[in-house]
Amino acid sequence: AQSVTQLGSHVSVSEGALVLLRCNYSSSVPPYLFWYVQYPNQGLQLLLKYTSAATLVKGINGFEAEFKKSETSFHLTKPSAHMSDAAEYFCAVSDTGGSTLGRLYFGRGTQLTVWP
Amino acid sequence: DAGVTQSPTHLIKTRGQHVTLRCSPISGHKSVSWYQQVLGQGPQFIFQYYEKEERGRGNFPDRFSARQFPNYSSELNVNALLLGDSALYLCASSPGHALYEQYFGPGTRLTVT
Repeated sequence: AQSVTQLGSHVSVSEGALVLLRCNYSSSVPPYLFWYVQYPNQGLQLLLKYTSAATLVKGINGFEAEFKKSETSFHLTKPSAHMSDAAEYFCAVSDTGGSTLGRLYFGRGTQLTVWP
Repeated sequence: DAGVTQSPTHLIKTRGQHVTLRCSPISGHKSVSWYQQVLGQGPQFIFQYYEKEERGRGNFPDRFSARQFPNYSSELNVNALLLGDSALYLCASSPGHALYEQYFGPGTRLTVT
C-alpha cells in the first residue's frame, strides 16, 4: 500500500514569509500526488494535483508544488504567507491505475500557523 | 454548481447503536468515496463506489457498509457503534474519467458516547 510522510506536524511562519510544507511518498512507481487544505470544522479543499504532466504544479491561492522523482518528494510552497493560509494541510497519493486507482492515502497533516 | 453535500452535519449516538450517513455527489459525478478522519490524523479510506458498484474497501470491520443509489447518492452505515468510531466522516465525489480527482464534502461529525 502507498504511504505518505509529512515532515513536521506544525509549521509556523510570519506573514509575508516563505511557506514550505514537506511531503514524501513511499512508492517505487510515481503515484498521483495531491495537496489538500482543511480549515477548522470543514471538509478538504483540493489545492493542487500532480498527474504525470509538468513536474511544477501551480494551484489555488498562490501555492505550488514540485514533483521530484529522485527524492520521492512533493513539497508545497508559497512565496509569501498570508494570515488566511493558517489551516491544516494534507498530502495524499493515489495509484495511477488498477483497482486501487482513486483510493487516496493521506499523510498525518501539517498545521500551518501564520504570525502577524 | 452545488458541491458535495452531506447530512447530518453532527450526530451523537450511544455505543451499540446504528448510524446512517448520507452523501450527494457533485452533479455529473458517478463515483463516491468515504473516509474516516479521527481527530489529529489524516483521513483513512473506507469505501469507493462507482456506477453503484463497490470498487474498493479499506481496512475497516464488517460493521461498516455502504451503498450507492441510481442517482449516485450514497449512504454509509455503521452498526454496533464503538467509542472509537467517533470521527469526522468525509464523502468525496469524482468524475468517472478521473477517479483520483476527489472533491470533498463538509463531513459529518459523529460522536459516540
